[in-house]
Amino acid sequence: DGGITQSPKYLFRKEGQNVTLSCEQNLNHDAMYWYRQDPGQGLRLIYYSQIVNDFQKGDIAEGYSVSREKKESFPLTVTSAQKNPTAFYLCASSPWTGFAEAFFGQGTRLTVV
Amino acid sequence: AQTVTQSQPEMSVQEAETVTLSCTYDTSESDYYLFWYKQPPSRQMILVIRQEAYKQQNATENRFSVNFQKAAKSFSLKISDSQLGDAAMYFCASKWNSGNTPLVFGKGTRLSVIA
Repeated sequence: DGGITQSPKYLFRKEGQNVTLSCEQNLNHDAMYWYRQDPGQGLRLIYYSQIVNDFQKGDIAEGYSVSREKKESFPLTVTSAQKNPTAFYLCASSPWTGFAEAFFGQGTRLTVV
Repeated sequence: AQTVTQSQPEMSVQEAETVTLSCTYDTSESDYYLFWYKQPPSRQMILVIRQEAYKQQNATENRFSVNFQKAAKSFSLKISDSQLGDAAMYFCASKWNSGNTPLVFGKGTRLSVIA
């Protein structure tokens, strides 16, 4: 089945540690996105990538890093510089047709203790 | 920059009744898409309906329809014959026709359905 897989579903980390969230898609989509969801804040864009080896900062990129070495994969690293990392993280992808909607993974709940 | 505003943090509706969720947006683009996504308790984002800005006809998907007022930059979602399974967060989103730009989301409306 085609889709977007995020892993793990729940992640716990100690404060000060970097952590990487996985996002893989087999939809052959060119573009991939990372959003952060907090209560009452909607979805805020962290980073996005339109093609392999290229990515752009979103509205809240500070304290995060990404890579796009393969079309299928777009991992997100939450660094120790991110002041409030506890949140729900959603990965999405879309094809290169301009108006296509985004397809979402099931999300990762990150809790930093 | 694009912005999307949902002014109703929470709404409730009786089962089998109709409810309308509001959304306004701001963009200087003439070509764009608008979407409504549903996020049930599982937190999986599900596309409910989409509207092309150049189309005057309002989109409809079964019990879900939109009222698209381009001049007013308004894009409301109407849910008819509400069901218990409609209870969820609903997000309004917009997307420019400018390459593969990201979706811009509103803050969401939590819909409760009362039996």
